[in-house]
Amino acid sequence: ETGVTQTPRHLVMGMTNKKSLKCEQHLGHNAMYWYKQSAKKPLELMFVYNFKEQTENNSVPSRFSPECPNSSHLFLHLHTLQPEDSALYLCASSVGQGEQPQHFGDGTRLSIL
Amino acid sequence: RKEVEQDPGPFNVPEGATVAFNCTYSNSASQSFFWYRQDCRKEPKLLMSVYSSGNEDGRFTAQLNRASQYISLLIRDSKLSDSATYLCAANTGGFKTIFGAGTRLFVKA
Repeated sequence: ETGVTQTPRHLVMGMTNKKSLKCEQHLGHNAMYWYKQSAKKPLELMFVYNFKEQTENNSVPSRFSPECPNSSHLFLHLHTLQPEDSALYLCASSVGQGEQPQHFGDGTRLSIL
Repeated sequence: RKEVEQDPGPFNVPEGATVAFNCTYSNSASQSFFWYRQDCRKEPKLLMSVYSSGNEDGRFTAQLNRASQYISLLIRDSKLSDSATYLCAANTGGFKTIFGAGTRLFVKA
């Protein structure tokens, strides 16, 4: 039990599908993050929300659309993805800013057909 | 040059060995540093935070060398269960933390 829960754990979708990834944190943290992890590559920061306001958008293509309705929930809406978007998508949360460590969810393994 | 760079390994060591990993960072403004452990097909889990010169937690010791801009992780008396990928991360302030690609460790009986 990590305190950060992601659903679904696995997702296979076609390039024309629309799906959403969900993340919920039970740690009382104020910041939430989306990362992409591809094989043998570093974690790539995608988006950061602090008190449900977006503070970072790391030049992510518009086919990825984040939503943060409150400090405990974070979504990543997916639309018209490409095969190179297949990866592990990790959600994380932290107290305060980057001087504090982040706590990660189990991740969603996404495969684009 | 990558912002955070690690030797990808793999490091293959016998049980009981001492092993050390280095991680270099390019941004001299980096203030906070972390080591995470990631098992195969799992999420990264925080191993240690490194805020000043270093700290120790049981068999694990992390050190920070600001002059040379690197952090290190020392694992003493390696266990089979230490086999994993070790990620280092650096934060320069704000919410952007940069992760290295990780160093793979295999501990063998």
